[in-house]
Amino acid sequence: KQEVTQIPAALSVPEGENLVLNCSFTDSAIYNLQWFRQDPGKGLTSLLLIQSSQREQTSGRLNASLDKSSGRSTLYIAASQPGDSATYLCAVAHNQGGKLIFGQGTELSVKP
Amino acid sequence: DAGVIQSPRHEVTEMGQEVTLRCKPISGHNSLFWYRQTMMRGLELLIYFNNNVPIDDSGMPEDRFSAKMPNASFSTLKIQPSEPRDSAVYFCASSLAGVATDTQYFGPGTRLTVL
Repeated sequence: KQEVTQIPAALSVPEGENLVLNCSFTDSAIYNLQWFRQDPGKGLTSLLLIQSSQREQTSGRLNASLDKSSGRSTLYIAASQPGDSATYLCAVAHNQGGKLIFGQGTELSVKP
Repeated sequence: DAGVIQSPRHEVTEMGQEVTLRCKPISGHNSLFWYRQTMMRGLELLIYFNNNVPIDDSGMPEDRFSAKMPNASFSTLKIQPSEPRDSAVYFCASSLAGVATDTQYFGPGTRLTVL
């Protein structure tokens, strides 16, 4: 059974700092891995999607990497801003049908 | 595009009552997903549809839960009878083709409280 774990559960950093969020999964047979952002009381917004054949994806200040063999992904946020404060969730697509299995998320707080 | 629309946004009901949650996916999307989010269990997939047909309902907790998608623009998730442990935020999401390569777009969620 696929399990997705995110560490740390919460993170607080000062504005401007670069940071890394971690995600690990137990079964390397995945189709892709996605990172989402969730603001309080809101739905999820997709940030990056890495196909199983890719090593990384970048969007603006965000960079996500994927190491399937070790079952790990990282989300790197450069020059963090207070507006980055949210919960970040990673999810793996375990089959072709798009079924996603989510981690518990990392709650990020960026202090001005 | 208005995005995925869910109603109601908040629902408070008493144990034993029937609850119906509604979802309108993004126009042109062929797949629809229902998720439940709780503090204890995180975000869990309940069921998903492709071209209005249920593909995987293995996440539906028990017979009290049922989901329908009568057409491409509407889906319901029904709980009958509701119990306090059903209290959670229920999200609906849609994607273009329902394959792993697609981005899923989430609605704002329905916060359900069962007293």
